[in-house]
Amino acid sequence: KQEVTQIPAALSVPEGENLVLNCSFTDSAIYNLQWFRQDPGKGLTSLLLIQSSQREQTSGRLNASLDKSSGRSTLYIAASQPGDSATYLCAVPSYGGATNKLIFGTGTLLAVQP
Amino acid sequence: ETGVTQSPTHLIKTRGQQVTLRCSSQSGHNTVSWYQQALGQGPQFIFQYYREEENGRGNFPPRFSGLQFPNYSSELNVNALELDDSALYLCASSTRGSPNEKLFFGSGTQLSVL
Repeated sequence: KQEVTQIPAALSVPEGENLVLNCSFTDSAIYNLQWFRQDPGKGLTSLLLIQSSQREQTSGRLNASLDKSSGRSTLYIAASQPGDSATYLCAVPSYGGATNKLIFGTGTLLAVQP
Repeated sequence: ETGVTQSPTHLIKTRGQQVTLRCSSQSGHNTVSWYQQALGQGPQFIFQYYREEENGRGNFPPRFSGLQFPNYSSELNVNALELDDSALYLCASSTRGSPNEKLFFGSGTQLSVL
């Protein structure tokens, strides 16, 4: 059974700092891994989707990496800004089924201090 | 903005009551998934509908049921509400519901059961 874990649970950094969020998964048989952002009480915004054959995806100041063999992904945020404050969730689709049922981690709550 | 809309945004019910939540999928999407997100947790998959048929279900009791309509909008119904049903309910749509697709989430319905 796939389990997804995120460390740390919460992180506070000063503005301008580069930071790394971690995601680990127990079963390396994955189709892809997706990173989401969630603002308080709101829905999820997809940030990056890395296919299982890829090692990295970049979008602006965000860079996500994937190491299937070790069951890990990282989300790197460069030059953090107060507007980056949110909860960041990673998720993988359940493998072998016909659906895109996602299995989520519990998230990392990021606070960027001005 | 993802084009996925949910209503209502907030709802307060008492234990034992029934509730219906609604979701309009993004244009061109025929698959809708529902997730429950308790406070401080990642979203949990409830079920998915593809072309008006249930196509995958998570570990939720039968009192959680759903419908998808010919225009691909969807309803989530919860009977005999319990205190633990208090959560953010998220709807997501996609074109086919296959594992390699991105999901587009709505802003959610915050349900409080008293």
